[in-house]
Amino acid sequence: DIVLTQSPALAVSLGQRATISCRASQSVSISRYNLMHWYQQKPGQQPKLLIYRASNLASGIPARFSGSGSGTDFTLTINPVQADDIATYYCQQSRESPPTFGGGTKLELK
Amino acid sequence: QVKLLQSGAALVKPGASVKMSCKASGYTFTDYWVSWVKQSHGKSLEWIGEIYPNSGATNFNEKFKGKATLTVDKSTSTAYMELSRLTSEDSAIYYCTRTGTRWFAYWGQGTLVTVSS
Repeated sequence: DIVLTQSPALAVSLGQRATISCRASQSVSISRYNLMHWYQQKPGQQPKLLIYRASNLASGIPARFSGSGSGTDFTLTINPVQADDIATYYCQQSRESPPTFGGGTKLELK
Repeated sequence: QVKLLQSGAALVKPGASVKMSCKASGYTFTDYWVSWVKQSHGKSLEWIGEIYPNSGATNFNEKFKGKATLTVDKSTSTAYMELSRLTSEDSAIYYCTRTGTRWFAYWGQGTLVTVSS
């Protein structure tokens, strides 16, 4: 299975930029498709899709969220961070079955 | 709008089975795969498997083969997952999701399963 590695936590100040990284144990890109997706999960809620195929904003997601990367290294950027963004963020790959998720990065206020 | 409504929490004894449901609305149920995802307390997410309601075809994570059974009722647009031979390791929240090319755009609210004697 493809292993996705995320830092457990990131502390950020409101109004600043947050950069959350995800590294895959092997490439999750096929030709021009980067098969990495990002989710936000708040306590007691289900995950919410933010970004699909590395850089595409899901429906209804604010433009302060963006994604980038290819191959094995991917980034979710939140700029500027708002109070409502305090949550845990997960990356997920769909290059190979089974789809796998990273361990999650908990975004905390500095 | 797309909605996935899951059944309520379950408390089950070790060795027993549990069957949970996921009722879909707001889209054509038979057009999209439905996946199930496990989240153990305070931990990350694991993909269990998926079912295509139109045909009943399934794919599973090897880890959950023999543990999970996926079925659908097309007449009620409902997907089901049954977990068998439950142990404490199966205590978790289970989500159903509508799958879009193996990313998960829509999620149910989750079903909490607690395995305890």
